[in-house]
Amino acid sequence: AQSVSQHNHHVILSEAASLELGCNYSYGGTVNLFWYVQYPGQHLQLLLKYFSGDPLVKGIKGFEAEFIKSKFSFNLRKPSVQWSDTAEYFCAVNYGAGNNRKLIWGLGTSLAVNP
Amino acid sequence: DAGVTQSPTHLIKTRGQQVTLRCSPKSGHDTVSWYQQALGQGPQFIFQYYEEEERQRGNFPDRFSGHQFPNYSSELNVNALLLGDSALYLCASSLWFGLAGNQETQYFGPGTRLLVL
Repeated sequence: AQSVSQHNHHVILSEAASLELGCNYSYGGTVNLFWYVQYPGQHLQLLLKYFSGDPLVKGIKGFEAEFIKSKFSFNLRKPSVQWSDTAEYFCAVNYGAGNNRKLIWGLGTSLAVNP
Repeated sequence: DAGVTQSPTHLIKTRGQQVTLRCSPKSGHDTVSWYQQALGQGPQFIFQYYEEEERQRGNFPDRFSGHQFPNYSSELNVNALLLGDSALYLCASSLWFGLAGNQETQYFGPGTRLLVL
């Protein structure tokens, strides 16, 4: 079965530190890749997505992610985190097409940013 | 442009009861997916509706059923509630691009928090 792995379950950083959250998937075919964020008490929001083209994609709030096909990875980065980035981050991978497409989710990474 | 809306926001039920949750998709979207999110976990896919038909289903028992209406809104029904059904139920809407397309982006509503006592 296809899977999505998020290596860091809990991350604690100080403000202004750099962030990199890992995401790896197991499907070898064409994929669409997503990062979602869930702030405390709020609903899931789309941070960024990759369908095709430039493997370095930029999202909202200064986040970016790089798709490395050879490594089956789509890591999320931010050069300098803020206290307001404290949230749960989910990587999701969409593969297949039509009735056979699947959106597979990672277990999430909880990020706490200390002021 | 209204986003995905869900009702009610919170619900308390007892074991054995039945519950219906509602979802209105984002304007222009025609596909609705339902997820269950337990505390501290990622979303677990329940099923997806397009053109009023269930197109895909996750690993959930038949107690979980759904419906999509001609205006694309959707309902999730859970029968014979168990304590373990307590969770946040998320609705996501998207555009269905058909067999050839797979560039689907799902947008989520705020969820309905269900507590089963």
